[in-house]
Amino acid sequence: ELKVEQNPLFLSMQEGKNYTIYCNYSTTSDRLYWYRQDPGKSLESLFVLLSNGAVKQEGRLMASLDTKARLSTLHITAAVHDLSATYFCAVEITGTASKLTFGTGTRLQVTL
Amino acid sequence: DGGITQSPKYLFRKEGQNVTLSCEQNLNHDAMYWYRQDPGQGLRLIYYSQIVNDFQKGDIAEGYSVSREKKESFPLTVTSAQKNPTAFYLCASRGDGRNRVGFGQGTRLTVV
Repeated sequence: ELKVEQNPLFLSMQEGKNYTIYCNYSTTSDRLYWYRQDPGKSLESLFVLLSNGAVKQEGRLMASLDTKARLSTLHITAAVHDLSATYFCAVEITGTASKLTFGTGTRLQVTL
Repeated sequence: DGGITQSPKYLFRKEGQNVTLSCEQNLNHDAMYWYRQDPGQGLRLIYYSQIVNDFQKGDIAEGYSVSREKKESFPLTVTSAQKNPTAFYLCASRGDGRNRVGFGQGTRLTVV
């Protein structure tokens, strides 16, 4: 059974600081996704990582994938209050049943 | 995500009642998914469908049923057998492109 673990589960950080969220998964994966969720809202797609060594950046967020270590990271640079949200990673294993298995989420709170 | 419409946004269910949540997409995606999210939790897969007239159980299918008679529609019925249905339900579809798995805006179901 595929397990996806995120840490930390909760992160409080000051504006301007850097931090990294980690996503570990238990079996070989083809794709890894990062999503953002604001309170009471649906999920917004941030990144799709398709291969080992993939790195994608948008604004203050950068995601990377190491398939050998079964690890993805979401790095936050110079955090701003608007980044406060819950961030989920999700692992997809393709084949006859392509579906996403989600981590438990990391609630990020950026304080002024 | 644009192109995936869930309705209603809020739904109230009485004990012993079946209710149906709607999910429609105009993205011409083959695969569609239903997830459940409980407060402070990640997403758990209920049912998914890779093609019209075919669907599979996810991790928590008990008490739910689905149909896939048309490519663009994947309704979810929450039956009276689901003992704890209060949750946020999210529909997703999968296609090619950057945002490979996008989500609808969700339906919040409450038992009254």
